[in-house]
Amino acid sequence: AQKVTQAQTEISVVEKEDVTLDCVYETRDTTYYLFWYKQPPSGELVFLIRRNSFDEQNEISGRYSWNFQKSTSSFNFTITASQVVDSAVYFCALSESGNAGNMLTFGGGTRLMVKP
Amino acid sequence: DVKVTQSSRYLVKRTGEKVFLECVQDMDHENMFWYRQDPGLGLRLIYFSYDVKMKEKGDIPEGYSVSREKKERFSLILESASTNQTSMYLCASSFRVEETQYFGPGTRLLVL
Repeated sequence: AQKVTQAQTEISVVEKEDVTLDCVYETRDTTYYLFWYKQPPSGELVFLIRRNSFDEQNEISGRYSWNFQKSTSSFNFTITASQVVDSAVYFCALSESGNAGNMLTFGGGTRLMVKP
Repeated sequence: DVKVTQSSRYLVKRTGEKVFLECVQDMDHENMFWYRQDPGLGLRLIYFSYDVKMKEKGDIPEGYSVSREKKERFSLILESASTNQTSMYLCASSFRVEETQYFGPGTRLLVL
């Protein structure tokens, strides 16, 4: 069965600090997809990134970067020079190839608070 | 841009009422999903649909039903609302299997 663990339930940083959100997953499939979503106080889940299991290249998008390591089953998310607007709950999710309807399994989420 | 809309941001209903939550997407996506989100429990899948008139149970379908008469619209129905259905309900859609799911703004339902 697939499982996603976000061990950090809450993180508090001061603006301009770098912060890394951890995500560890479990799956028996060799083909799967990993996602990160952001949920600001308004409630909507905003898609950030999608990664397939064959692409271990790290990705950078502005202040955001993602480190995917199959050897440790981790897909960590780093925000560089954090800003108050980054305050949100962040979810990591996993989808196994071939499961009907591409059902997502979500981690419990990490609440990030960025203080001015 | 993908647009997923939900009929209400906030709803207050009484125990025993029939409740309809509507979700519409404008990107011609095949798959649509209903989740509920509760503190400490994360997001849990209630039902999903991979085509018009098709539906599959998710992890927690008890007390809910769904309807998909048109491709763009997916309704979640609480036949007889109960207080333990007080929650945040999120709708999502995706183009195909394995594609990214895009979420609506959510409906916060309070059942009194």
